[in-house]
Formats: sequence, C-alpha cells, structure tokens
Amino acid sequence: DAGVIQSPRHEVTEMGQEVTLRCKPISGHNSLFWYRQTMMRGLELLIYFNNNVPIDDSGMPEDRFSAKMPNASFSTLKIQPSEPRDSAVYFCASRLSGQGNTEAFFGQGTRLTVV
Amino acid sequence: AQKVTQAQTEISVVEKEDVTLDCVYETRDTTYYLFWYKQPPSGELVFLIRRNSFDEQNEISGRYSWNFQKSTSSFNFTITASQVVDSAVYFCALSGGYQKVTFGIGTKLQVIP
Repeated sequence: DAGVIQSPRHEVTEMGQEVTLRCKPISGHNSLFWYRQTMMRGLELLIYFNNNVPIDDSGMPEDRFSAKMPNASFSTLKIQPSEPRDSAVYFCASRLSGQGNTEAFFGQGTRLTVV
Repeated sequence: AQKVTQAQTEISVVEKEDVTLDCVYETRDTTYYLFWYKQPPSGELVFLIRRNSFDEQNEISGRYSWNFQKSTSSFNFTITASQVVDSAVYFCALSGGYQKVTFGIGTKLQVIP
C-alpha cells in the first residue's frame, strides 16, 4: 500500500489566493483527518470524516477554510482567501475506525507558505 | 471531551542515558485507545505504539518501553540507552470509538552525543 498521499508537498501562494490541498487515504480506511501543525499550537485537528461524512469541524479556524470528501478515496482542504497566518504544515491522516480502532496513518504533509 | 497533556516541552539528555516522556490523558469514554508517534527532523509522523484501555500490560520493544496506568491516566514512554537518532518530537495521542484522535503538544527530545 502506498500509504496516505498528499499533494502538493509544498505550496507557496500570495495572500488572497485560493489554496487547495489534496489527500488520498489508505484504501479501506473509513476515517480521515485533517491536521494543521505550527510551532505555536502544535498539531491541531481541523476536521474529521467518518464514511465520507464530516463528523466534527469544530477545529476549522474560520469560514475561509472548507473541507470535502466526495468519496472514500479523496478529500480536499480549501482555504479561500488565504492569509499569511495560514502558513503551516497540513497533514492528512486516515485510519480504520470502529471495533478495534487502528492507529492513524499520516501523509507526508503539505508545507503551505502564504506571502 | 478528550485531552492529552505532555508537560515536558523539551528534554535534553546525553547519549546512552535513559529518558522518560510523560503523557497524561483525560476522557469520559470507557473504551479508548492511546498512541505514541515520533516526528523526526524530516517531518513525517511515525506511529510507534497503540494501546487499548483494557490492556494495561506494559510493553517493551527493543530500547522502547511503555507504562500504561489507568489509575493515574498516564501512558509514559521510556527510551533506554538513548541514541542520537532518537532525537525527535514525540507525540502522545488519544482516541475513543469513532471520535477524533487528539494529540498532545509534543515533547522535543534532543540526544547529545
């Protein structure tokens, strides 16, 4: 298995532009998580999905952030418009949830820089 | 609500010393799972171990060992005879059922040669 695949690995964009981060979870996993990592706040959970349905988006910082999971093999995190304070590493993770939860497997992350 | 506290933000040890990373958690679930992850300087998050709430047996894997104590809501991680390659940020995490995986703030470990 190729693991969780995120794209792009690096993104530099200008303030005000729309940014879309992509994630392909591990096949068969039914939960998907988006995290943001910064020096100040550590790993913050932004949103998570179970069976493609958003369960908890309380971590999404503002309406500028949105996430979708149109099917079991793809998710996006969109920031529109982007701001310099959105600069961070964004991780996607997936796992098999239910009886006997497995650990979450992480993608390599997308390093976002908003200038 | 779930919460994970890693009180040690940074630890420095000299190579070959033993070091223990503390993790204290809070949850209302009776069934839950605890995890440790390692984030080396390269940035990826590497899974180390998973424990469920019904299994308090301590575990040893090479130089790594974990001490799970429900009575104190702790899940501590010990590295024996530390090596420079152990330098990383270590995260403790908690999950219950279909709930989110909540991470602690992380402990940065520096092993000095």
